[in-house]
Amino acid sequence: QTVVTQEPSFSVSPGGTVTLTCGLSSGSVSTSYFPSWYQQTPGQAPRTLIYNTNSRSSGVPDRFSGSILGNKAALTITGAQADDESDYYCVLYMGSGIWVFGGGTKLTVL
Amino acid sequence: QVQLQESGPGLVKPSETLSLTCAVSGYSISSGYYWGWVRQPPGKGLEWIGSSHHSGRTYYNPSLKSRVTVSVDTSKNQFSLKLSSVTAADTAVYYCARVGCNGGTCSFFDYWGQGTLVTVSS
Repeated sequence: QTVVTQEPSFSVSPGGTVTLTCGLSSGSVSTSYFPSWYQQTPGQAPRTLIYNTNSRSSGVPDRFSGSILGNKAALTITGAQADDESDYYCVLYMGSGIWVFGGGTKLTVL
Repeated sequence: QVQLQESGPGLVKPSETLSLTCAVSGYSISSGYYWGWVRQPPGKGLEWIGSSHHSGRTYYNPSLKSRVTVSVDTSKNQFSLKLSSVTAADTAVYYCARVGCNGGTCSFFDYWGQGTLVTVSS
């Protein structure tokens, strides 16, 4: 069974830069998995941030960026703000109409 | 602007079938795209359940495949989820979502409903 891995938690100082990662329990993440990233605050629906590795969704500030770093997908937040404190989920498209979510990273801004 | 809205019972008894509907506005389902469901148990992460196209093509999470049906109703511009033989482990917020496409590949979720909590309890 495919497991998508994310850091359970991360913290960043206001104004700082943080990189969250998304890996596979077995193998490497590449652009062929079309990684996407979602932000979720408590009680709210997910918000689409990044798709196809590094394309920003409409209205998403350019301080959010996506990439492949080594064998993982990555979401980098530059100049973190207080309202970036959220849960972040990556999703990998496995092909054949199958998606797998990562366990999510709880980001604290302090 | 595409908008999605879930509806259905908030309480389902164990062993029964959970049924939800997602009404779509701002886009005609018959024009294309896949439409799907994602759930989130209380305090836990997101899980993809399944997706369907108006052509009838469907895809399901292998771990739920034996219990899930996702279907599209173009006449009502809505799609639905049925999950059979539910247990307490199926208690979750259920989100409907559209599968977004870019560059010929449909690989992410671009529009989301607000979610609806379904509790499985007797």
